[in-house]
Amino acid sequence: NAGVTQTPKFRILKIGQSMTLQCTQDMNHNYMYWYRQDPGMGLKLIYYSVGAGITDKGEVPNGYNVSRSTTEDFPLRLELAAPSQTSVYFCASSSPSNTGELFFGEGSRLTVL
Amino acid sequence: AQSVTQLDSQVPVFEEAPVELRCNYSSSVSVYLFWYVQYPNQGLQLLLKYLSGSTLVESINGFEAEFNKSQTSFHLRKPSVHISDTAEYFCAVSDFSGGGADGLTFGKGTHLIIQP
Repeated sequence: NAGVTQTPKFRILKIGQSMTLQCTQDMNHNYMYWYRQDPGMGLKLIYYSVGAGITDKGEVPNGYNVSRSTTEDFPLRLELAAPSQTSVYFCASSSPSNTGELFFGEGSRLTVL
Repeated sequence: AQSVTQLDSQVPVFEEAPVELRCNYSSSVSVYLFWYVQYPNQGLQLLLKYLSGSTLVESINGFEAEFNKSQTSFHLRKPSVHISDTAEYFCAVSDFSGGGADGLTFGKGTHLIIQP
């Protein structure tokens, strides 16, 4: 069971570059999420999706975009990378039967220089 | 909207000593409550959760948490810690009404440091 898989695990970007963080899950979960984790700040929700074709903003969406064309995949796009986007990004998934419990990937560490 | 406050950013304890990690939440609706653990350079794993019923919930590795509605708290305890418990612990809340669709609200985390 792969669960939630994120790629890449590490990436260094220059200011102004673009990239996509990939996330895929094999649990047939309807719900998927992107969080960012910064030291001492906990996890903040960037975007989430309740099903294919449906996405919604979380607490900190600025500078990011998402799409959900399939149940399995939920990529996160950074269009113009800024140093403030240096963080660890976590993808998670869930379903109504999980009563709120999230299943997390192992994270993607992004540094913007 | 809900919020979570973890009162201690770091808790150092000696091995085999008891520990309590504090968590308070605020919400205008009924909630589900969770504790997640994050070991170094890993993702978050569910430690335990409270959905309904008995206010005391336990994990398989000796942790327990008690839901206290009047004090809006969900403190995590372990009677005797081991060096392998060194990790970051996150308290999180989800409200009933959305069925969990809009994700969890997390506290800022507590770093549990076990000293030999």
